[in-house]
Amino acid sequence: QKEVEQNSGPLSVPEGAIASLNCTYSDRVSQSFFWYRQYSGKSPELIMSIYSNGDKEDGRFTAQLNKASQYVSLLIRDSQPSDSATYLCAVRGSNYKLTFGKGTLLTVNP
Amino acid sequence: NAGVTQTPKFQVLKTGQSMTLQCAQDMNHNSMYWYRQDPGMGLRLIYYSASEGTTDKGEVPNGYNVSRLNKREFSLRLESAAPSQTSVYFCATGRDNLGLGSYNEQFFGPGTRLTVL
Repeated sequence: QKEVEQNSGPLSVPEGAIASLNCTYSDRVSQSFFWYRQYSGKSPELIMSIYSNGDKEDGRFTAQLNKASQYVSLLIRDSQPSDSATYLCAVRGSNYKLTFGKGTLLTVNP
Repeated sequence: NAGVTQTPKFQVLKTGQSMTLQCAQDMNHNSMYWYRQDPGMGLRLIYYSASEGTTDKGEVPNGYNVSRLNKREFSLRLESAAPSQTSVYFCATGRDNLGLGSYNEQFFGPGTRLTVL
């Protein structure tokens, strides 16, 4: 059974701080890794994709991947109240299917 | 360019009734997916279609059927709705390229909120 684990939170950070979201996965052959943001009552929105070890930066977002440790993280710099949402980690194995974690609720306090 | 659209947005059914959830995409993606999302359970794959003419079961297929009508459309049918099928249903499409350097991201529609009484 392929598993993707996330801390459910809530994770609370002050405005302007760095929010760090973590995810571990069990399937060693996993190839691509994704972070989705989901606002309450809305659908998941893709914000980051990564498939190579190391860091990938896009604006205020940085995804970090460590395949040896089976660990992927998302850093949000200069957190804003509009970043308050549930963040879903998703992992793709050797086929088309994604396995999702249950999500971490992030609250950014003004 | 609408992306992924789903109809209806909301639906209330009585136990035993049937209905079809519709999904359409204009992203020219080959693969399409149906998920359900329940509190505390996360997103779970019901069925998927890797390409037109093919469908496969996901993690929770019982009580559902699907039809990949053409490349654009993928429908989900509940033949005899049960209260356990009360959920939010999301359709997604996948940008497929299993080659090296490929991400194969999935993109979600707005969802259908279904209540079965």
